[in-house]
Amino acid sequence: AQKITQTQPGMFVQEKEAVTLDCTYDTSDQSYGLFWYKQPSSGEMIFLIYQGSYDEQNATEGRYSLNFQKARKSANLVISASQLGDSAMYFCAMREDISNFGNEKLTFGTGTRLTIIP
Amino acid sequence: DTGVSQDPRHKITKRGQNVTFRCDPISEHNRLYWYRQTLGQGPEFLTYFQNEAQLEKSRLLSDRFSAERPKGSFSTLEIQRTEQGDSAMYLCASSQLAEIPPADTQYFGPGTRLTVL
Repeated sequence: AQKITQTQPGMFVQEKEAVTLDCTYDTSDQSYGLFWYKQPSSGEMIFLIYQGSYDEQNATEGRYSLNFQKARKSANLVISASQLGDSAMYFCAMREDISNFGNEKLTFGTGTRLTIIP
Repeated sequence: DTGVSQDPRHKITKRGQNVTFRCDPISEHNRLYWYRQTLGQGPEFLTYFQNEAQLEKSRLLSDRFSAERPKGSFSTLEIQRTEQGDSAMYLCASSQLAEIPPADTQYFGPGTRLTVL
């Protein structure tokens, strides 16, 4: 089974609108972390936001927020007031068993290509 | 702040040649990671170092691949006898050792795009 599933290969959104990018995950661990990264055409992966499995509140970072629904195993990224510079690939990733210092691997989904329309 | 840097940014080689990539992490980070990203996919973990020790290797890292971090600073990834299937973006990331996430978040470099002809 896929550990990270991103079902939207591409999305088009009008500038200034909000957009939700979907991410579902699969793990049997109780302690895990979920990350979102942005990858512009230049190739660099830019860290956006983090949600820990034990965090009671949804994470927020500026215009980014994470809609974390633990029972449904979903961690959707919400971008408010989208801008042209938000056009990029967006990847959801998970690190399992974060209480174990030895487990450092990030597992990524296949990504969603977001295009902001002026 | 200086981020993670990678060199070269692009490499074109012929099948069967050896290639070496370099990664310079963020200076205070003691962990360094290598990932491979093929077209249309997310990055896949290859290996990681804590200081100079290589602590984990993915089964994706065949015996043609070797990674080193000799002094716990920069790292090199060498691919011997390259094959067309090795064509991909090779991403390096670094992080600091921390007890509580997200202080140990991985920060990525711009990647090296390898094309094997």
